Amino acid sequence: RKEVEQDPGPFNVPEGATVAFNCTYSNSASQSFFWYRQDCRKEPKLLMSVYSSGNEDGRFTAQLNRASQYISLLIRDSKLSDSATYLCVVAGRSGNTPLVFGKGTRLSVIA
Amino acid sequence: GAGVSQSPSNKVTEKGKDVELRCDPISGHTALYWYRQSLGQGLEFLIYFQGNSAPDKSGLPSDRFSAERTGGSVSTLTIQRTQQEDSAVYLCASSLVGGLETQYFGPGTRLLVL
Repeated sequence: RKEVEQDPGPFNVPEGATVAFNCTYSNSASQSFFWYRQDCRKEPKLLMSVYSSGNEDGRFTAQLNRASQYISLLIRDSKLSDSATYLCVVAGRSGNTPLVFGKGTRLSVIA
Repeated sequence: GAGVSQSPSNKVTEKGKDVELRCDPISGHTALYWYRQSLGQGLEFLIYFQGNSAPDKSGLPSDRFSAERTGGSVSTLTIQRTQQEDSAVYLCASSLVGGLETQYFGPGTRLLVL
């Protein structure tokens, strides 16, 4: 099983739609989780951290399910500007080992 | 303040040549990371520097790849005897402390090996 797995998509949704992505991870000891966003031919940028209790930032909601080892990202009222690749990121094996990035899920929001 | 900068932005080289890629992290960030991203693929971890500690080189794909970080700031990634499969975007990131801190990425160097 890969360390971090995501559905590559693409997810093509109309403006205003709600869309959700899941990501599974293999290391049950992982403590930190993030969603990064990467625009075409640009560098990744942090979108939000994922907390055990779940967290919300405007139209974006992230949740963690430790029992099933997956995290999710929900985007409500999709905007054209949300079109990007969303990278699921999980803390590595232990200690200061770097973060492990998923290959990303591509989202296209269509007018 | 200034973000992470990388140079060159693009590099085209011939198979067998050596290349050097440079990364200037955010001032004050003690941790520096190198990744590469092939077309349509995820980020592949290469190497991680944290302060004065020995770097984590576990991601370097072969002994043709090496990196150094001088004075705890600027880092250079060197690829010797480049191969066509080395073609990718090489991304550098830095974070304030390292470990699980948020990583800030530079714009990357696009390397094409002919």
